[in-house]
Amino acid sequence: AQSVTQPDIHITVSEGASLELRCNYSYGATPYLFWYVQSPGQGLQLLLKYFSGDTLVQGIKGFEAEFKRSQSSFNLRKPSVHWSDAAEYFCAVGNNNAGNMLTFGGGTRLMVKP
Amino acid sequence: GAGVSQTPSNKVTEKGKYVELRCDPISGHTALYWYRQSLGQGPEFLIYFQGTGAADDSGLPNDRFFAVRPEGSVSTLKIQRTERGDSAVYLCASSLTSGGSRETQYFGPGTRLLVL
Repeated sequence: AQSVTQPDIHITVSEGASLELRCNYSYGATPYLFWYVQSPGQGLQLLLKYFSGDTLVQGIKGFEAEFKRSQSSFNLRKPSVHWSDAAEYFCAVGNNNAGNMLTFGGGTRLMVKP
Repeated sequence: GAGVSQTPSNKVTEKGKYVELRCDPISGHTALYWYRQSLGQGPEFLIYFQGTGAADDSGLPNDRFFAVRPEGSVSTLKIQRTERGDSAVYLCASSLTSGGSRETQYFGPGTRLLVL
């Protein structure tokens, strides 16, 4: 079975500071990995995804994530956070053997200080 | 273009009642998914449709939950004899095809269900 752990429930950063949100997954083969963002009253929006190839993937809104197989991690990063980035972030994993379902982590709530 | 829409946005009901939650996927998307998000948790998969048929309903918690997609577009999630533990945000998503979980799933804003 696949699973996702997001160790940080809440993170607070100052505007303009760098950000890293942690995600660890459990799956035997190469997973499909996703980061979604959820703002209040909004649906989940896909930031980026990784299937294969270059382990550093670029997404929307200036976000990037790096797949590290040795650490079973897919951490999300942004060099300079904006106040509008305050939201909840979810890491998710899928794979060919699980059909179309995605398994989500518990989420990390990001707060941005002015 | 229009995204995934869900109605109602909020639903309050009493324990034991029946509720229906509706999802309108993105036009042309053949795959449709339902997830449930409890407070403070990530979404959990419920059921996936390819066209009119439920291709995977392994996430439905029990037989009080049922979903249909009779014409391969709009879907309705039905919950019978609601319990307080059913209170959650019910999310719908759609994807263009059923190309496995590589396909990007586009999510609606959800229906917040509160069972009193």
